[in-house]
Amino acid sequence: DIQMTQSPSSLSASVGDRVTITCRASQSISRYLNWYQHKTGKAPKLLIYDVSSLRSGVPSRFSGSGSGTDFTLTISSLQLEDFATYYCQQSYNTPTFGGGTKLEIK
Amino acid sequence: EVQLVESGGGLVKPGGSLRVSCAASGFTFRSYTMNWLRQAPGKGLEWVSCISGSSSSIYYADSVKGRFIVSRDNARNSLYLQMSGLRAEDTAVYYCAISSEYSRTWHGPHFFDDWGQGTLVTVSS
Repeated sequence: DIQMTQSPSSLSASVGDRVTITCRASQSISRYLNWYQHKTGKAPKLLIYDVSSLRSGVPSRFSGSGSGTDFTLTISSLQLEDFATYYCQQSYNTPTFGGGTKLEIK
Repeated sequence: EVQLVESGGGLVKPGGSLRVSCAASGFTFRSYTMNWLRQAPGKGLEWVSCISGSSSSIYYADSVKGRFIVSRDNARNSLYLQMSGLRAEDTAVYYCAISSEYSRTWHGPHFFDDWGQGTLVTVSS
């Protein structure tokens, strides 16, 4: 299986901050990288697919970049509703997820 | 509006069996690959299984292969996961999710468009 490693595992930030989350794959996955947002007790939500394609309805403050093994999710100006856990997921092979990044209010 | 509602979770003893279900609405169920994913307490997300719209393609994660069986009933807009030989490490919230696209490299789900809120399965004596 392809291992996905996210960093940091947790992050404290304030409303309005710019935040970057990193995801690294154990082998090249080209651009088969997707991002999800998950709030406790709720259904996870697809934010970005194919590294940088924003899902319809997702605010433009979310963006993604990268290729090969290294990827980033950036939130340009944090809003209150963005505090959640974020996961990357590869689909180059049998799907695997990163361990998650918990974004908390500072 | 897409709605996915899981049910059937509960407490089961190690070695036991349980079937969880997912009721779908708001989309043409038979046209989409459906998935089961899970999240163990304090852990990340794990893909478990998928089944194509016609049930012709089915895949499982190695961790459940030979113990879990995925099925669907397109007439009832329902997805099922029959779990047997349950272990403590199967304790998790189980989610169903839609996949609208296939990965060109492994020919299974590319991403998971919409998810339910999950049903908790606890395996404990």
